[in-house]
Amino acid sequence: DIQMTQSPSSLSASVGDRVTIACRASQSIDSYLNWYQQKPGKAPKLLIYAASSLQTGVPPRFSASGSGTNFTLSISGLQPEDFATYYCQQSYVTRFTFGPGTKVDF
Amino acid sequence: EVQLVESGGGPVKPGGSLRLSCVASGFAFSSYKMNWVRQAPGKGLEWISSISGSSNHIFYADSVEGRFAISRDNAKSSLFLQMDSLRAEDTAVYFCARDLDVEVAGTFYRSLDYWGQGTLVTVSS
Repeated sequence: DIQMTQSPSSLSASVGDRVTIACRASQSIDSYLNWYQQKPGKAPKLLIYAASSLQTGVPPRFSASGSGTNFTLSISGLQPEDFATYYCQQSYVTRFTFGPGTKVDF
Repeated sequence: EVQLVESGGGPVKPGGSLRLSCVASGFAFSSYKMNWVRQAPGKGLEWISSISGSSNHIFYADSVEGRFAISRDNAKSSLFLQMDSLRAEDTAVYFCARDLDVEVAGTFYRSLDYWGQGTLVTVSS
């Protein structure tokens, strides 16, 4: 299976900050990488697909890049509603795997 | 509006069985692959199974292979997960999720674009 790692595991930020989360795959996954946001008690929400494509309805302060094994998710101008946990997920193979998550809090 | 509604969770003893359901609405269910993803309390997301629209391609995570069975009834827009030989480590919220194929620059990429609210399975003696 393809292993996904994320860093940091958590970060503290303030409204208006720019934050960046890293995701690494154990082997090349080209651009088969998605990002999700999850708030406590809620289902995950798709933010980014194909490594850098913004899902419909997601604010443009979210951006992402990368290919191969290294990927990043950035949030510019952090808003109160952005405090959540973020997961990367590979879709290179059907046995999807998720990263362990990055919690963004105050 | 796309909606996915899971049901069937609850308490069960180790070694027991449970069948989860996910009813879909607002889209052409038979045209989409579907998945089950779970989340143990306080933990991250774990993909556990995928099924193609016609049920001819099915995949499982190693952690559930041989114990869980995914199926679907396209006439009823429903997805199922039969869970047997349950263990304490199967305790989790189970989500169903729609699998979207999107073409970007000539290549198709998969993602999980809609999720249900989840149903909690608790395996305990």
